[in-house]
Amino acid sequence: QLQLQESGPGLVKPSETLSVTCSVSGGSISSSSHYWGWIRQPPGKGLEWIGSINYSGSTYYKSSLKSRVNISIDTSKNQFSLKLSSVTAADTAVYYCARHVQSIVSRQPDHFDNWGQGSLVTVSS
Amino acid sequence: DIQMTQSPSTLSASVGDRVTITCRASQSISNWLAWYQQKPGKAPKLLIYKASSLQSGVPSRFSGSGSGTEFTLTISSLQPDDFATYYCQQHNTYSGYTFGQGTKLEIK
Repeated sequence: QLQLQESGPGLVKPSETLSVTCSVSGGSISSSSHYWGWIRQPPGKGLEWIGSINYSGSTYYKSSLKSRVNISIDTSKNQFSLKLSSVTAADTAVYYCARHVQSIVSRQPDHFDNWGQGSLVTVSS
Repeated sequence: DIQMTQSPSTLSASVGDRVTITCRASQSISNWLAWYQQKPGKAPKLLIYKASSLQSGVPSRFSGSGSGTEFTLTISSLQPDDFATYYCQQHNTYSGYTFGQGTKLEIK
């Protein structure tokens, strides 16, 4: 059974870089049928996709976050990571990692079928 | 980016009711739409993908329909476990992946 688990610092200071890692177990992150994505949810608000990556390092990022986001993958550790720079209080959120299923037809990432439990990251001095 | 608008924002219903939630896209997304259920303090759970395909393990009382810009999620007979917040999500790579604002399904 596939499991995803986020790990992060919990608290980040404004203007610094937020880093969260997702560890995948029960399946290989090197699957050619999947991307691996990050989604966040500010307290009491809705869901926002941040970006996704596949085993070869091919990435898709939300356009409005692209200048501050970097997603990387480490297939040897079965992990992928999110870095978000120059954070402000508006970046305070629960950060979820999720498996992003690749469409058989288009070969592009599609829906999210497995999610981690989420990691709350608070931006505050 | 494609905007997704859900209605209603809040829905009050009783066990056994048939309920429908609507999601509208700001431009055509063909059938590239998914639905998720989220309970407080938990991660979202995939219910429906490609507008009408039921995810494995999801009860058959959940169904999805629509194409283009208008989509619906229907729960045929509400169960106590179904009271949660529901989100739609368009999955069109070239426009990013955007979620609706959510519909909270409450007990009447």
